[in-house]
Amino acid sequence: QSVLTQPPSASGTPGQRVTISCSGSSSNIGSNYVYWYHQLPGTAPKLLIYRNNQRPSGVPDRFSGSKSGTSASLAISGLRSEDEADYYCAAWDDSLSGPVFGGGTKLTVL
Amino acid sequence: QITLKESGPTLVKPTQTLTLTCTFSGFSLSTSGVGVVWIRQPPGKALEWLALIYWDDDKRYSPSLKSRLTITKDTSKNQVVLTMTNLDPVDTATYYCAHLTTGATWIDYWGQGTLVTVSS
Repeated sequence: QSVLTQPPSASGTPGQRVTISCSGSSSNIGSNYVYWYHQLPGTAPKLLIYRNNQRPSGVPDRFSGSKSGTSASLAISGLRSEDEADYYCAAWDDSLSGPVFGGGTKLTVL
Repeated sequence: QITLKESGPTLVKPTQTLTLTCTFSGFSLSTSGVGVVWIRQPPGKALEWLALIYWDDDKRYSPSLKSRLTITKDTSKNQVVLTMTNLDPVDTATYYCAHLTTGATWIDYWGQGTLVTVSS
């Protein structure tokens, strides 16, 4: 059971906007930044969003992040087939003194 | 350019000890604010943090696995070693090491991962 809660799956058609939620607590999301990673099958996770809503260079502005209280969300607009992947949220947890991750959301582009 | 690569056995017997090495380039573990973190992912499952070590030798362990883990660094060799004792089949997973910074991007560069299977 992961510390952060994500829906196991999400889907959308090309061009649509999809959001993925991530719920935590006061010891993690409530008091620290949220990060998002995406993972293609058989590959390592790749940083997608840092510090709640910042994109590393090379990440398209179709990807955006937000945070409110103890929850966060990732939005993907203009959905494309290559966006099909697993998405994970993460945050530092003050109680555990380490990183915590969500259970992952498998995004399917229909 | 930051790169990391995990190495170690692919098959380990139950009750044995696993030793994984993370060899990296493009950064130094003697630089303030830098660290290396170990994360694993059982087949088809989510990511799980194991341990991390900072430039100043500060070490943190997942509370659920703390009694079985040891993390060390060799700054001169650009390596971080993770040791896990008393392996069980549930420890079968892909083990990743990643670059960690106290700066903005946090856990930003990951190794390719190494699959470790625990089986007799």
